Order: sequence, then structure tokens, then C-alpha cells
Amino acid sequence: EAGVTQSPTHLIKTRGQQVTLRCSPISGHTSVYWYQQALGLGLQFLLWYDEGEERNRGNFPPRFSGRQFPNYSSELNVNALELEDSALYLCASNPGSNEKLFFGSGTQLSVL
Amino acid sequence: GENVEQHPSTLSVQEGDSAVIKCTYSDSASNYFPWYKQELGKGPQLIIDIRSNVGEKKDQRIAVTLNKTAKHFSLHITETQPEDSAVYFCAATIRVYNFNKFYFGSGTKLNVKP
Repeated sequence: EAGVTQSPTHLIKTRGQQVTLRCSPISGHTSVYWYQQALGLGLQFLLWYDEGEERNRGNFPPRFSGRQFPNYSSELNVNALELEDSALYLCASNPGSNEKLFFGSGTQLSVL
Repeated sequence: GENVEQHPSTLSVQEGDSAVIKCTYSDSASNYFPWYKQELGKGPQLIIDIRSNVGEKKDQRIAVTLNKTAKHFSLHITETQPEDSAVYFCAATIRVYNFNKFYFGSGTKLNVKP
């Protein structure tokens, strides 16, 4: 069974640009969570989608947004990139029927 | 809301020694406590978990203990090996209807010296 897949693995952007990150959850998982992990720091909760709906968002500005598609895959969009957006962006999925959360390998975003 | 505190932030042990990482939580509604291991350049991987109706769980060299009264839980790694070097995260989970809310600790960087 394939795990959570994220693309791209690495990305370099410049300030002010926009970026879209993609996530495919484990088959059968309906919930997708996005986290930001700056270098050497913990996991900061960004967004949570379930059944196509945004269920909760963390303490991030509106330029961080996303969506979940009917096949439960998800996109994270970041507009007007700032230097401090440089981080590892992790996607995780959960089946909804239990509490187990599974992470992808992340997208490393560098903003120059 | 829930608040999870994790200690220590860094831990250095000699190969073969034991390592203990501790977490506390604040919301008594939390009922599932997973531990994740994150190796460099990778996403966190679930290594062990425990539910609120269990006091201890063991899987080979790793074990987790839970004290519901004191609201703390710990990860124990025995006979540490260099490949155990990684960042470890604890989490507390609150299940509301069919939804899960996850709250993570700040992480512990474990260094096992050969």
C-alpha cells in the first residue's frame, strides 16, 4: 500500500511569488493535515481538510490556503512568499475511523 | 485547548544506554498518545502509540507509559543504537465524533554516541 505522497520534494522560489504544494493521502483516508516545520523547530499546524471541507486552520495568515479534491488529494497554496516561509511542509493523512496519522516526506521550500 | 509540553529538547546518550523522553498534556479529553520519529530529511514516522485505557505498551526496545492522573506520558528506548538518533515528537489526540484533533510536542533531538 502506497504511503502519503507529496510533490514536489524540493522547491526554490523568490519573494513575492506563489507556490502550490500537492499531497496524495493513503488510499481510503479522508482527512488531510498540513504542517509547517521550520529548520530545527517543531510542527506548526496549518490546515485540516476532511471530506472536501476545511475543518480547522492554524495561526497563519490568509495567504496560506488550500483545498481538498473529491479524491481526497489536497493542495496547499502560499501567496506572496516571504523569506520566513522557507520550511519543510508536511502533509499527513488519517482514515477518520481511528486516530492514526501518517506523514509524507514533505516538500522543502526555499524562498530567496 | 490542549497544550503538550515535551522535555528535554535535546538528549545525548552513549550507545547501549537508555533514553527517556517525557511529555505532559493539559486536556483530560485526550485519549490517544502517539510517538513519532523523524530522521533527517524525512517526514515523522509513527513508532508506538498508547490509548488512555492502557498504562504501558512495549514493542521490542521501545516502550511508552501513560499516567492519566498526572497527565503525563513517556517514551523509553533501551539499548540505544546510533540509528535511534533522530528527532522524536509526542502528541496528544482528542477524538470528537468522527474527527481527530492532534496536538504535538516541540520535539526532542536524540543523539546516540557510538
